Amino acid sequence: RKEVEQDPGPFNVPEGATVAFNCTYSNSASQSFFWYRQDCRKEPKLLMSVYSSGNEDGRFTAQLNRASQYISLLIRDSKLSDSATYLCVVNSPYSSASKIIFGSGTRLSIRP
Amino acid sequence: SQTIHQWPATLVQPVGSPLSLECTVEGTSNPNLYWYRQAAGRGLQLLFYSVGIGQISSEVPQNLSASRPQDRQFILSSKKLLLSDSGFYLCAWSTGTAREQYFGPGTRLTVT
Repeated sequence: RKEVEQDPGPFNVPEGATVAFNCTYSNSASQSFFWYRQDCRKEPKLLMSVYSSGNEDGRFTAQLNRASQYISLLIRDSKLSDSATYLCVVNSPYSSASKIIFGSGTRLSIRP
Repeated sequence: SQTIHQWPATLVQPVGSPLSLECTVEGTSNPNLYWYRQAAGRGLQLLFYSVGIGQISSEVPQNLSASRPQDRQFILSSKKLLLSDSGFYLCAWSTGTAREQYFGPGTRLTVT
């Protein structure tokens, strides 16, 4: 089982829609969680950290479910500019000294 | 504020030629530094990371090497490039292990 798994998509949704995707992780000892976005042929950029109680940043809401070992990202009122690949990132205390594992990403495409 | 620089932005090199990619960070001291490679349409592969000057850990055995001659400088090298070395090379920094990472703009390498 991969340490961090994401549905690769693509998710194709109309502008203004709400879209959500999950990311599952295998190490129950993981403590840090993040969402990044990566535009085509660009570097990944930190979108938001994910806190235990859930957190919101404008149209974006991130949640953590420790019991089921997944994090989620919800995007409300989606914009064309939200089209990107969204990377789930989890720390993994025992697998690598770098301690951070990147998922392979979920592609999101917003259509007019 | 912190900034991270990478150069060159693009590079086309013949098989068997040497490689040197440089990454520098400004605005922070003693960062953790990372080299990643991203093949076309794929996820991030961690190549090397460093927690201090002269301290390099390799994640994947291959014909690449890394060095950290100064606190905020990280260099990726190869003596002889292979076709399989083509990809998008990303440098990143963080304030510590298991913390969010910030990426440079990347170098797109094509080995011909």
